[in-house]
Amino acid sequence: IAGITQAPTSQILAAGRRMTLRCTQDMRHNAMYWYRQDLGLGLRLIHYSNTAGTTGKGEVPDGYSVSRANTDDFPLTLASAVPSQTSVYFCASSELGGDYNEQFFGPGTRLTVL
Amino acid sequence: GEDVEQSLFLSVREGDSSVINCTYTDSSSTYLYWYKQEPGAGLQLLTYIFSNMDMKQDQRLTVLLNKKDKHLSLRIADTQTGDSAIYFCAESFPPEGYGQNFVFGPGTRLSVLP
Repeated sequence: IAGITQAPTSQILAAGRRMTLRCTQDMRHNAMYWYRQDLGLGLRLIHYSNTAGTTGKGEVPDGYSVSRANTDDFPLTLASAVPSQTSVYFCASSELGGDYNEQFFGPGTRLTVL
Repeated sequence: GEDVEQSLFLSVREGDSSVINCTYTDSSSTYLYWYKQEPGAGLQLLTYIFSNMDMKQDQRLTVLLNKKDKHLSLRIADTQTGDSAIYFCAESFPPEGYGQNFVFGPGTRLSVLP
């Protein structure tokens, strides 16, 4: 593995179903993020984790939950999917502190909720 | 709160210069960034500038920062078809690397016409 991987690549989901999007990084970065990308709205932060064992809410956290049991993995769960959660989801990671903050992105998961 | 704005679309002819503009509201940002997203992929850092700088040049890319007007621009010289992508402006705040301290704009879709 090199960088960040996400799974699945795409998914069609019935409304009301539970879904977990997976994200794994091999760069040993402390911080990880989940964003959703919608046309005209750019990237909006859903949840973040600054270090293993801690998580925080971003701009649009409702309907989503995350966990950070270890440094490498940061799954995003939709407990009961709704059509407004149709989007492209990106996982990212970065180092904490230091100078500028370069975020490294996964390839994305395209989710359609019907 | 923090807000980053960009025009959503820009079309240029191959060989011309492209100028992508961005405005932001929070003057406490420490770094400003340009990320590039190619079709079907995640974002990648293109370049960044420290908030105390006015200009940064890197090969075909020139970044201009007008801190008084809170305006950031990215100029791409001799634009090529491979430059067709979405370009995101972003800003970060101290402490660097923390998920809640990073804001993306909506992205500008650059189309390069042959």
